[in-house]
Amino acid sequence: AQTVTQSQPEMSVQEAETVTLSCTYDTSESDYYLFWYKQPPSRQMILVIRQEAYKQQNATENRFSVNFQKAAKSFSLKISDSQLGDAAMYFCAYRATGNQFYFGTGTSLTVIP
Amino acid sequence: SQTIHQWPATLVQPVGSPLSLECTVEGTSNPNLYWYRQAAGRGLQLLFYSVGIGQISSEVPQNLSASRPQDRQFILSSKKLLLSDSGFYLCAWIRGTGELFFGEGSRLTVL
Repeated sequence: AQTVTQSQPEMSVQEAETVTLSCTYDTSESDYYLFWYKQPPSRQMILVIRQEAYKQQNATENRFSVNFQKAAKSFSLKISDSQLGDAAMYFCAYRATGNQFYFGTGTSLTVIP
Repeated sequence: SQTIHQWPATLVQPVGSPLSLECTVEGTSNPNLYWYRQAAGRGLQLLFYSVGIGQISSEVPQNLSASRPQDRQFILSSKKLLLSDSGFYLCAWIRGTGELFFGEGSRLTVL
C-alpha cells in the first residue's frame, strides 16, 4: 500500500532564510505524481509544486523547489527567501496511475520575522 | 476558467440534525470529484469519490453519504449528525495536469 510520511510535524524559519520540508513515500509503482500543497490559516488547500516521477529534473516554482530522489523515495520541498506569507501547513501528496491520492500528515511551518 | 465552489462556508448544527454540503465545478466536464474531511490539526481523510453521475465510491463507513445528481455537482449529506462529524470538509477534482484542485472548504461544527 502506498504511504506518505512527513516526519516533521513543525518547522520554523527566519524570514528571508531557507527551509527544507521532508517527505518520504512508499510505492511499488514506477510512474506517479508527487505534490506539495500549502494550507494557510484560511484553510483552502493550494498546490505549491508538482513532480512527475518520469522526469529526472527537479521541479521549481519561483522560490519553491523540490529535491526528488526516486530511488530513495524522497521528495523534499525547499523554500528559499522565506516570507511571512509562507506560514502554513504543508502537505506532501502522492498519486499513482489511478485516481487515488495519498497525503502525509502535514508540517506546520512558522516564519519568524 | 475552471473553478470549484463549496457552500455553505460555515455551518453550526445540533447533534441529530441533517446535513447537506454542496460542491459545484465549472469549466470542465465529467470531472473526478472527491470529498475529504480534515479534523482539527490533522491530515486529510478521503470520504467519497465519484467518476461520474450516480457513481459513488465510499472509503469510510459512517453516517455520511454522497450523491452526484449532475455531472458537475457533488453533494455530501447526513440524516443525523454526530459530534464526531465536526471538521473541515473539502471538495476537490482532478485537473488535466494531474493534481487535485480544492474548493474553499466548509467548516462544520456539531454541538
